[in-house]
Amino acid sequence: GQNIDQPTEMTATEGAIVQINCTYQTSGFNGLFWYQQHAGEAPTFLSYNVLDGLEEKGRFSSFLSRSKGYSYLLLKELQMKDSASYLCVRFDSNYQLIWGAGTKLIIKP
Amino acid sequence: IAGITQAPTSQILAAGRRMTLRCTQDMRHNAMYWYRQDLGLGLRLIHYSNTAGTTGKGEVPDGYSVSRANTDDFPLTLASAVPSQTSVYFCASSPGLADTDTQYFGPGTRLTVL
Repeated sequence: GQNIDQPTEMTATEGAIVQINCTYQTSGFNGLFWYQQHAGEAPTFLSYNVLDGLEEKGRFSSFLSRSKGYSYLLLKELQMKDSASYLCVRFDSNYQLIWGAGTKLIIKP
Repeated sequence: IAGITQAPTSQILAAGRRMTLRCTQDMRHNAMYWYRQDLGLGLRLIHYSNTAGTTGKGEVPDGYSVSRANTDDFPLTLASAVPSQTSVYFCASSPGLADTDTQYFGPGTRLTVL
């Protein structure tokens, strides 16, 4: 996706913690979404950050630093079902979503 | 119908043929979107509609057209398909255009143009 950088693939172990980083272009920035997409399925909403700081939602947390153009998604107590792609998405001043290419997360037992 | 549906699930199409991908939502959402998803790339917006009767161009509109005759339906038409339009197409909807309005996605249509 344009001006959004996230790792292509990451591997983690069941029960562990993993952090998926995302950097984005700061001009015209309004907010940052994270979506989850299982293989062959549609994306589903995980989180939305507009202010700096950490938003916690169960096993998943999302962090935003507007000044640094940086976000991360933190997944705790990993389960096999968390194997999916995680999409970092910037909401811009034109009311459109700019999608990153996604990070494929592989969970190993 | 629950949520947002798309048809067909998949389609193989000869180049030059006309094709309409259907999308219907029952959530009474004002905004609807069409995206394509290609390997290694993020979702790219093709067209969108803020409300019934209005449409707008996204990032990659060429070769595609849309209409929004009512709130529920948002069909995407390929007038003359080309192989580069081989992709997975997702329709989505949201209550409005506010930054807090989550987009809900249909299951996708896998289109192959030969």
